[in-house]
Amino acid sequence: DAKTTQPTSMDCAEGRAANLPCNHSTISGNEYVYWYRQIHSQGPQYIIHGLKNNETNEMASLIITEDRKSSTLILPHATLRDTAVYYCIVRVAHQNSGGSNYKLTFGKGTLLTVNP
Amino acid sequence: KAGVTQTPRYLIKTRGQQVTLSCSPISGHRSVSWYQQTPGQGLQFLFEYFSETQRNKGNFPGRFSGRQFSNSRSEMNVSTLELGDSALYLCASSPAGTGSVRNTEAFFGQGTRLTVV
Repeated sequence: DAKTTQPTSMDCAEGRAANLPCNHSTISGNEYVYWYRQIHSQGPQYIIHGLKNNETNEMASLIITEDRKSSTLILPHATLRDTAVYYCIVRVAHQNSGGSNYKLTFGKGTLLTVNP
Repeated sequence: KAGVTQTPRYLIKTRGQQVTLSCSPISGHRSVSWYQQTPGQGLQFLFEYFSETQRNKGNFPGRFSGRQFSNSRSEMNVSTLELGDSALYLCASSPAGTGSVRNTEAFFGQGTRLTVV
């Protein structure tokens, strides 16, 4: 799986948008970008994933550059409960009936602190 | 729908003992993975099971083993515990094999915090 680079930490004011960047310059054509977050002492939580088109769900938006070498996770209106470590992971998404090869390689992630 | 359930939540063991941790995946999920999280090494992949078969294994010694049952529930075992095995052990389940890449995300449990003394 391709390696990712994320800032160690970021701050955001409550109610503002949080934009978390991720570089993945060695991403392969069949690798997806996944985002997870981990709130202190809990298991990681899936947020969103995408291949090349921008994606949006109830939690966040994912913007992937045209060359796919970087992406940005956007939390549109950050709350105090969004304070967590955010992990950007790139991996192949196997979806055939033979099952998945489910190894997630976590880096250090970005500690996002949402301030009141 | 119930989430991933890991038991026990907390465990204290003595060096040299062995321990078994349990994971019940989300109903219908066939893939179960295990991870170890420590302050120094972060989140590291241990192994993944699908349909009772180990499909992938991380770089851990043979003291770490696992299995999956026909109902997709999984256990991991650590033998001859060392102080360095103290960690949060996380289990993740995935729908897998449904034919859609949108069903490949992993759902994690709350973890079992193992302390070796």
